[in-house]
Amino acid sequence: GAGVSQSPSNKVTEKGKDVELRCDPISGHTALYWYRQSLGQGLEFLIYFQGNSAPDKSGLPSDRFSAERTGGSVSTLTIQRTQQEDSAVYLCASSLSGFTDTQYFGPGTRLTVL
Amino acid sequence: AQSVAQPEDQVNVAEGNPLTVKCTYSVSGNPYLFWYVQYPNRGLQFLLKYITGDNLVKGSYGFEAEFNKSQTSFHLKKPSALVSDSALYFCAVRDRNYGQNFVFGPGTRLSVLP
Repeated sequence: GAGVSQSPSNKVTEKGKDVELRCDPISGHTALYWYRQSLGQGLEFLIYFQGNSAPDKSGLPSDRFSAERTGGSVSTLTIQRTQQEDSAVYLCASSLSGFTDTQYFGPGTRLTVL
Repeated sequence: AQSVAQPEDQVNVAEGNPLTVKCTYSVSGNPYLFWYVQYPNRGLQFLLKYITGDNLVKGSYGFEAEFNKSQTSFHLKKPSALVSDSALYFCAVRDRNYGQNFVFGPGTRLSVLP
């Protein structure tokens, strides 16, 4: 079946512009995660959605970052007034449910802020 | 709060030799532990996980890992390395008693030399 998809695959923007990154999780997966991977670095947790519960936003680095998940499926990560330090690969993952489930990752969106 | 350490940035091993990629963790409660692999220009793929039960976990592509509670370690091993195993390996932990998010280690780059 289809895996996690993300769009766009690459995004180049100018400093100060807003960007939206999209994630389509695997159908039926109730949990959805966003991570950021900077060049040569590990994964930084950003936000977690589980079903209809309030999201865990504890990883968002600033109030310029926000995310929503509509209808328990597609998620959008929005970065307002982008800065050069926001340049990274943004990864989305989904899992069936719960703490122990394997996360399935999308291919990522490479964001470059000029 | 939980944390993960991968003490080696780079591991080099000759093809056919055994390989070990090290991971140690810190959690306040009991851990869920995971290994993921990232091949060049590809997304992260799940290798194996420890949830409960047998301390030796077997996963994809002939990899295994041993949960050692006293040493708070979860080292990844393979008896005979392949050139195709060359990739970036990430260890991740989730504390059963704290929060929703995973914490990923910084990654270890494995190079298997022919």
